[in-house]
Amino acid sequence: DSGVTQTPKHLITATGQRVTLRCSPRSGDLSVYWYQQSLDQGLQFLIQYYNGEERAKGNILERFSAQQFPDLHSELNLSSLELGDSALYFCASSPGTGRETQYFGPGTRLLVL
Amino acid sequence: GDSVTQMEGPVTLSEEAFLTINCTYTATGYPSLFWYVQYPGEGLQLLLKATKADDKGSNKGFEATYRKETTSFHLEKGSVQVSDSAVYFCAKGGSGAGSYQLTFGKGTKLSVIP
Repeated sequence: DSGVTQTPKHLITATGQRVTLRCSPRSGDLSVYWYQQSLDQGLQFLIQYYNGEERAKGNILERFSAQQFPDLHSELNLSSLELGDSALYFCASSPGTGRETQYFGPGTRLLVL
Repeated sequence: GDSVTQMEGPVTLSEEAFLTINCTYTATGYPSLFWYVQYPGEGLQLLLKATKADDKGSNKGFEATYRKETTSFHLEKGSVQVSDSAVYFCAKGGSGAGSYQLTFGKGTKLSVIP
């Protein structure tokens, strides 16, 4: 158990809909990273937050957004969903923004029908 | 841009065989390097890491050495078990100021048969 929790574990929705994925980092970690794992693209970095502020952006679509709250949990919002958004979404946390290890949650599996 | 290349799978080995999964990277500077493992139906677990050249990471019988001269971080295990069946991902830390997102290889699926 990494100490990172993600909810829900599974999510099934329809095209055009909006969903919210939730992540709670390990106790004491200030950074949260979001990654997408899909069959065609592999594991890709989406976005990072550090202590409530956006720190870095990767291959995140404009339809996707995220935020980190004062209690340090983070939410990833996916809107106008398309079939191709079906994937496993991981969050990871680390203490800061440097070379520390990132610890991953169990992921949320999203299926868009 | 920076990238991580690891050998294509799947790899099928008999129990007690020797395992090597090759991983090379491109990067500016000297990133930290990681191996993560994903067991069926589960999330990513850190297997081992190395933070500077010539460092050797090791865990559960797996080893990898950070080779700056060949920009490689190959994963090895002397005697695999059925329980090692999983997907293995090589990853590098970023070098952007203030952020250290991971860049992953495509993963290598390992199946160990009794």
